[in-house]
Amino acid sequence: QITLKESGPTLVKPTQTLTLTCTFSGFSISTSGEGVGWIRQSPGKALEWLALIYWDDDKRYSASLRGSPTITKDASKNQVVLTLTNMDPVDTATYFCAHQSPYGFFDYWGQGTLVSVSS
Amino acid sequence: DIQMTQSPSTLSASVGDRVTITCRASQSINIWLAWYQQKPGKAPKVLIYKASNLQSGVPSRFSGSGSGTEFSLTISSLEPDDFATYYCQQYNGDSRTFGQGTKVEVK
Repeated sequence: QITLKESGPTLVKPTQTLTLTCTFSGFSISTSGEGVGWIRQSPGKALEWLALIYWDDDKRYSASLRGSPTITKDASKNQVVLTLTNMDPVDTATYFCAHQSPYGFFDYWGQGTLVSVSS
Repeated sequence: DIQMTQSPSTLSASVGDRVTITCRASQSINIWLAWYQQKPGKAPKVLIYKASNLQSGVPSRFSGSGSGTEFSLTISSLEPDDFATYYCQQYNGDSRTFGQGTKVEVK
């Protein structure tokens, strides 16, 4: 059974860097075909895909993301980390991590973590 | 990036109604489209993948169709548990994009 859980700060100040960790179980990010993505949802708004990392360390980012997002993995810890720099109040959102199926859609999701950006 | 446009944004319906939501891609995505259901305060749940394949455990009243740039999600007979927001998502190539969502509300 695949499970994922997001962790990180609930509040960051504008211009600060946000680091979120996705801890998962039920699969290995080292296994061929595996991938983990990050998706966020601002209050009352639509889902927005942010980034994706594959088993072979290939990485993809949304072209609309400001700043310099970084996604990394630690297979030994079953973790994927997302870093977003220069946070702004518009980045206030619930951040989800999700397992990507071999087809490319997200079949298992974490519960999400709400991050507020405010001074 | 590929843009996904859903319609309508809001749909008012009653239990037992047949409802259809459409999703249009800004360029061809073949059949690489998924549909999700999301309820308030919860993570999305995948319903359909590869445009028309029903995810395991999803009721058969949900169905998907389409290819290229035009897709639809149909609920054959709306149940009380189906009042929620629905999103399409393309997964063609390197990027992923969600539609803006369709809220199915009680009429």
